[in-house]
Amino acid sequence: GAVVSQHPSWVICKSGTSVKIECRSLDFQATTMFWYRQFPKQSLMLMATSNEGSKATYEQGVEKDKFLINHASLTLSTLTVTSAHPEDSSFYICSARDLEDRDPDTQYFGPGTRLTVL
Amino acid sequence: AQTVTQSQPEMSVQEAETVTLSCTYDTSENNYYLFWYKQPPSRQMILVIRQEAYKQQNATENRFSVNFQKAAKSFSLKISDSQLGDTAMYFCAFRWAGTASKLTFGTGTRLQVTL
Repeated sequence: GAVVSQHPSWVICKSGTSVKIECRSLDFQATTMFWYRQFPKQSLMLMATSNEGSKATYEQGVEKDKFLINHASLTLSTLTVTSAHPEDSSFYICSARDLEDRDPDTQYFGPGTRLTVL
Repeated sequence: AQTVTQSQPEMSVQEAETVTLSCTYDTSENNYYLFWYKQPPSRQMILVIRQEAYKQQNATENRFSVNFQKAAKSFSLKISDSQLGDTAMYFCAFRWAGTASKLTFGTGTRLQVTL
């Protein structure tokens, strides 16, 4: 149980285009999902907290107009990188909490999406 | 604000030996959770072990155990009988016990298990 998927696993796009990354909880309902960014050989940096049916909460320094987050259902959150530039190239990871699980305080992570902007 | 510090960027251990990864944290909260996550080359984050701050007993999961020293704000991970599959980045993480709280990660320790 507690499986989180991400799609796509790897995407290459041209500078100036927008890219959408999906995060799904496959076998549980996630009212809260988290989006992280990870540069090579570095730790995970939280970008935003996504709550189903409401606006996402962004961390300080994260541009909300550039990184659009939509959490339209209890099993799906999307991150759209708008007008992507090479500096947006990174590994994006989502996670989710299963509030009905015996460990509601544990986050389950997706496999990540590698974004390369040319 | 909470901070998590992992002072060992890289460590190496021989197969079947024991290794301890250190983690310290700083918080003014009294009720919180601590985690160790493993990130192998596939980059999938895997929960290794968790500890509730209100529990005095150290958590164990098979070959993995922690030494939780609340007063010292220390949370080390011991891996016994190391296996080649343990090679990965290990991240220590903190989370306050509030419902809307988030994980704060340390900088990670790269563990290499050798023959």
